[in-house]
Amino acid sequence: DTAVSQTPKYLVTQMGNDKSIKCEQNLGHDTMYWYKQDSKKFLKIMFSYNNKELIINETVPNRFSPKSPDKAHLNLHINSLELGDSAVYFCASSQEAAAGPAQYFGPGTRLTVL
Amino acid sequence: AQSVTQLGSHVSVSEGALVLLRCNYSSSVPPYLFWYVQYPNQGLQLLLKYTSAATLVKGINGFEAEFKKSETSFHLTKPSAHMSDAAEYFCAVSDGLTGGGNKLTFGTGTQLKVEL
Repeated sequence: DTAVSQTPKYLVTQMGNDKSIKCEQNLGHDTMYWYKQDSKKFLKIMFSYNNKELIINETVPNRFSPKSPDKAHLNLHINSLELGDSAVYFCASSQEAAAGPAQYFGPGTRLTVL
Repeated sequence: AQSVTQLGSHVSVSEGALVLLRCNYSSSVPPYLFWYVQYPNQGLQLLLKYTSAATLVKGINGFEAEFKKSETSFHLTKPSAHMSDAAEYFCAVSDGLTGGGNKLTFGTGTQLKVEL
């Protein structure tokens, strides 16, 4: 019954590799997001998708490429991983028919780049 | 641009004591405000949200928050702390844009410690 799920939960990889994180929501929401939480626990939005269309694209290196095959899924692919990419990545979703909707977060993916 | 300031990166209370976590916001438009809790190695769980319906908002686990426009504050309180409340708490603001533009801007978080 998990509302927002992410895989994998942990990801350990070498610098220069390419990796993907998957996110799925079963809440019927129309908008999904990726947030990055750094080592100091600061959270910052990276991307948002509404009905499979990219809406928010914060100043994120173009090594990060989100893809939304349908409204329930949002994946994050990262090319040429760097040490500074180590963080916890959270997926979230919301239903944006009305103003000020809450966002519901997944459990996070802890990425460690060695 | 919107921003959130959480005063006190660490707050320690005794079990049974009042919990008060402070949040001040800055927003050029009427804000939507949220409190989230993060337990160790877990995602963020929504505690409560303010969307202009009522200034006193009740949330889960006995938490509540009061929106004070004159003070640009949205402090989180709980009358009696429980050991299970120990976690990281985040205040967040959004401008309520629809269509996917509703990004949350988070504060830096407050680590709540509950002592016996």
